[in-house]
Amino acid sequence: SQELEQSPQSLIVQEGKNLTINCTSSKTLYGLYWYKQKYGEGLIFLMMLQKGGEEKSHEKITAKLDEKKQQSSLHITASQPSHAGIYLCGATQGGSEKLVFGKGTKLTVNP
Amino acid sequence: DGGITQSPKYLFRKEGQNVTLSCEQNLNHDAMYWYRQDPGQGLRLIYYSQIVNDFQKGDIAEGYSVSREKKESFPLTVTSAQKNPTAFYLCASRGGFNTGELFFGEGSRLTVL
Repeated sequence: SQELEQSPQSLIVQEGKNLTINCTSSKTLYGLYWYKQKYGEGLIFLMMLQKGGEEKSHEKITAKLDEKKQQSSLHITASQPSHAGIYLCGATQGGSEKLVFGKGTKLTVNP
Repeated sequence: DGGITQSPKYLFRKEGQNVTLSCEQNLNHDAMYWYRQDPGQGLRLIYYSQIVNDFQKGDIAEGYSVSREKKESFPLTVTSAQKNPTAFYLCASRGGFNTGELFFGEGSRLTVL
């Protein structure tokens, strides 16, 4: 089965700092999703990437999918306490609708 | 408004009892999913369905069962065979194959007493 490795597992930054979260697979990623979650609550959709080399931005968050479609990164610029939460990447592989997620990255932003 | 509705939001059960979690969507989506989340963990796939009357096991299907008799409904039964059922359960759906936003419900928190 496809496994998605997220790194780091947790991250503590000072408000205003930039940060990057990575999502890596040994297999080609299709329909790569990034979500944010406050623990025990529903997921908030951030972005979806499909094409190799694709990059999308929303407010201070930028997501990229590399050309080989095996790694994605989520970059937050000038972090704020409102960015704190668990960030999850999810993807499908090939011709299947099986959609799996990584273990998540817990982000803490200190004022 | 279109979306996914999960119920109940909180559920308590005694050991040895089966319990069914409801998931209904009015988005006309073909694919539906059930995930389990434990504290500090990501989402683990239990079952998924690509079309009515068809479903496949995910990575942790043991002790769970599902049905997909209607396009809009994908209920999950947590059976007594599930050794550690206390968890947060999330249902999701999406439209076209490998396209479109994945919509999530608000989740159901199951506690076994």
